[in-house]
Amino acid sequence: DAGITQSPRYKITETGRQVTLMCHQTWSHSYMFWYRQDLGHGLRLIYYSAAADITDKGEVPDGYVVSRSKTENFPLTLESATRSQTSVYFCASSESLDRGRSTIYFGEGSWLTVV
Amino acid sequence: DAKTTQPNSMESNEEEPVHLPCNHSTISGTDYIHWYRQLPSQGPEYVIHGLTSNVNNRMASLAIAEDRKSSTLILHRATLRDAAVYYCILRASNFGNEKLTFGTGTRLTIIP
Repeated sequence: DAGITQSPRYKITETGRQVTLMCHQTWSHSYMFWYRQDLGHGLRLIYYSAAADITDKGEVPDGYVVSRSKTENFPLTLESATRSQTSVYFCASSESLDRGRSTIYFGEGSWLTVV
Repeated sequence: DAKTTQPNSMESNEEEPVHLPCNHSTISGTDYIHWYRQLPSQGPEYVIHGLTSNVNNRMASLAIAEDRKSSTLILHRATLRDAAVYYCILRASNFGNEKLTFGTGTRLTIIP
């Protein structure tokens, strides 16, 4: 099916483990984003990417790593998970052509619990 | 990126119009105003966007102040399904980085 999909949708992991959240979009959108959402903080940007092999830090990048070897995939890795990274993670994508008018499409979210 | 300011929460009665305000006093001339909403346990979804003129679509209307320093999302007849967090963001045209920030939005409660 076309769209933006995240996996896994739900994950429980232990402190110190490496976790990778996957994001895949079928539109060939240039821009992709990762956000985390915690109570009282709204959506906070972790990393974003303007194209394959181009990534940049957002508001809260510490503890996260991203890569973008293919346009359609934008995985987010927690190299050594901490309890403070327990959150809901949203991936999003958008066209770059006349981006001011372009809609941002969000995935359904990945619920991550670090114990 | 220019920032936006929204009230934390609002309430409205079912079947009445709702006006959700957003201030963006540092908006630049090429910034588009976008609104998204997030239903419980879902990712945000697009509602409407505009540049200078007021805009209407099947979901809502967007009223933009003449100086563009504020805007209002209008839900003409609120239903219980409109209960959500509404985000107002600014999206620059094709210049500069794309460090899109959403903030905390306005939590809209609909009273039956």
